[in-house]
Amino acid sequence: GENVEQHPSTLSVQEGDSAVIKCTYSDSASNYFPWYKQELGKRPQLIIDIRSNVGEKKDQRIAVTLNKTAKHFSLHITETQPEDSAVYFCAAHSGTYKYIFGTGTRLKVLA
Amino acid sequence: NAGVTQTPKFRVLKTGQSMTLLCAQDMNHEYMYWYRQDPGMGLRLIHYSVGEGTTAKGEVPDGYNVSRLKKQNFLLGLESAAPSQTSVYFCASSLVREQYFGPGTRLTVT
Repeated sequence: GENVEQHPSTLSVQEGDSAVIKCTYSDSASNYFPWYKQELGKRPQLIIDIRSNVGEKKDQRIAVTLNKTAKHFSLHITETQPEDSAVYFCAAHSGTYKYIFGTGTRLKVLA
Repeated sequence: NAGVTQTPKFRVLKTGQSMTLLCAQDMNHEYMYWYRQDPGMGLRLIHYSVGEGTTAKGEVPDGYNVSRLKKQNFLLGLESAAPSQTSVYFCASSLVREQYFGPGTRLTVT
């Protein structure tokens, strides 16, 4: 069936370093790839997304890259800060209105 | 503009009891979704709706029913709760692609 694999499951970085989270999807019809940040006890919040006709998108310290051929997409966070600590989820969406989520990455930014 | 709201925020049920979770959105979104979130398993789709009066099964629909009688509301029902349904439940809505999530309902079934 359709699935999204997300790695790593946990990631610890020193404040100021970069963090990279990777996802692989299986459904070749997927055309929209959002990333969500979820702080403890809170709802998932969209932080950046990318559509299949774009290879890279940036928003200040965060960026997402997409390799459609390899069915890979990645989240890059530069100059990490303690407030970046959270669980990050990737997802893949196709025209069926269904979103398939990765299992999440717990990012810890060490001060 | 409240966005997506959910009631209740917390609930404890005994095995076999029933309850309904309410999701409401004021953004005039066509699509609404119910997910459950369990540790290490991400968000799994229970049911979804592509418009008023329509519902469809997601990845894990067993033990749940839903209704979308009004465009702004999406109800999730548990007819006979089981301990395996202990989870955090999130509702979401979307216009086309971008999903907006509610604050969640933490349900414990003992």
